[in-house]
Amino acid sequence: EPEVTQTPSHQVTQMGQEVILRCVPISNHLYFYWYRQILGQKVEFLVSFYNNEISEKSEIFDDQFSVERPDGSNFTLKIRSTKLEDSAMYFCACRSSAAMSTDTQYFGPGTRLTVL
Amino acid sequence: GDSVTQMEGPVTLSEEAFLTINCTYTATGYPSLFWYVQYPGEGLQLLLKATKADDKGSNKGFEATYRKETTSFHLEKGSVQVSDSAVYFCALSAYILTGGGNKLTFGTGTQLKVEL
Repeated sequence: EPEVTQTPSHQVTQMGQEVILRCVPISNHLYFYWYRQILGQKVEFLVSFYNNEISEKSEIFDDQFSVERPDGSNFTLKIRSTKLEDSAMYFCACRSSAAMSTDTQYFGPGTRLTVL
Repeated sequence: GDSVTQMEGPVTLSEEAFLTINCTYTATGYPSLFWYVQYPGEGLQLLLKATKADDKGSNKGFEATYRKETTSFHLEKGSVQVSDSAVYFCALSAYILTGGGNKLTFGTGTQLKVEL
C-alpha cells in the first residue's frame, strides 16, 4: 500500500537555526498538508498546498515558515529561524483529489522537532 | 471557527470490554467527520469516516454515527483487544469550494490502553 514518508524522524536544532523537514507524498496525490502537534496538545493545521501554491494557511504559519515542492516528489517545510515553541511533532499529509471534503488525507509518521 | 471536543484520556479497559470515546463538534455548514488512530511510533491512520447526517462509519469492529442533532460522532467498539491500544483522534473537514484546502480540524486525542 502506498505510504507517505517523512525525514528525519527526529531533528534536534539550536534556537535561531533553520530546519527543513522533508516529506515524500503518495505519488499521484495532488494536495499536500502540514500539521503539527505540540506535546500533549491538539494536532493543528499549518498549511495546505496545491498546484504549486499555498491554498490555505493558519495563523501559526507566519513568515518564518515556507513550503515548497522542489522536484515533483518531495514536499518540504522550512522554518527559517526556529524558536523554542516550534518544538513539536510535524506531520505531512496528502490527498488525491479536491472534489469533496470526504476524500481521505493520508499521513506520514511525523518528524519530531526539538529546539534547544 | 470549527472545533472538535473529545473526552480526556487515558482510557484503560480490560480486553473484551465495551469502548466509547465521545466526540462533539462545532462547525459551519455540514462537515465530514473522521476518526484517526495513531499506534505507537506510527503516523495517523484513517479509522473510519462519515460524510452526512445519520451515516455510520465502520471499520475493524469500530463504529461511529454522524448525529447532526447532537453534533456528535462518538466512537464505539463492542469488544476491545490489546492490539487496539493507541491514541484516537476525532476530526472534521469542512468543504471549501475553491483552492483545495479542506483542512482537518482535530480533537485533542484520547489514549486507549487495553489490558489483559
